[in-house]
Amino acid sequence: SQTIHQWPATLVQPVGSPLSLECTVEGTSNPNLYWYRQAAGRGLQLLFYSVGIGQISSEVPQNLSASRPQDRQFILSSKKLLLSDSGFYLCASGHLEAFFGQGTRLTVV
Amino acid sequence: GQQLNQSPQSMFIQEGEDVSMNCTSSSIFNTWLWYKQDPGEGPVLLIALYKAGELTSNGRLTAQFGITRKDSFLNISASIPSDVGIYFCAGRTASGTYKYIFGTGTRLKVLA
Repeated sequence: SQTIHQWPATLVQPVGSPLSLECTVEGTSNPNLYWYRQAAGRGLQLLFYSVGIGQISSEVPQNLSASRPQDRQFILSSKKLLLSDSGFYLCASGHLEAFFGQGTRLTVV
Repeated sequence: GQQLNQSPQSMFIQEGEDVSMNCTSSSIFNTWLWYKQDPGEGPVLLIALYKAGELTSNGRLTAQFGITRKDSFLNISASIPSDVGIYFCAGRTASGTYKYIFGTGTRLKVLA
């Protein structure tokens, strides 16, 4: 079975600072990769997904971007964080099903 | 973003009771997934459904893929305290874009 690694687990960043969250996957090849954001007490909102290296689809207009430089690496970035970027960010990987990492809790202050 | 309608939003039940929750969508899905999320952690996959009408069990959990392909149900039998958490449904669209759309979640609290 596949394992999804996300880091860091928690992050506190000032407004206007850059962001880079990394997700790597083990135990599978050529997976579909996803970034979700979850506000406190809410559901999961799909931000980006990728079906292959260099292929990124954005679901909602926002202050974030994603990249997939390698088959099993997915990166979420921002040049300048906003307060509204705070949340719980989850990376997922899969083909028929989606398996999740442990998430990164981002607080922008 | 698009989300599925999931109900109930929350429920308190007594230990030993059975629990039912469902998800509905205006779109057709070709895969339904059910997850459980504990506080501060990522969702864990419980059951995956691939065919309309399919009924699948995982221990005390049973889920069904609605015949219209627009809904799904999850039942938990004889609930125990560790069933506490948030349950999410997710549907994969039939359009071939491989997107998983998530429900709004059902928060389950079990009273011992």
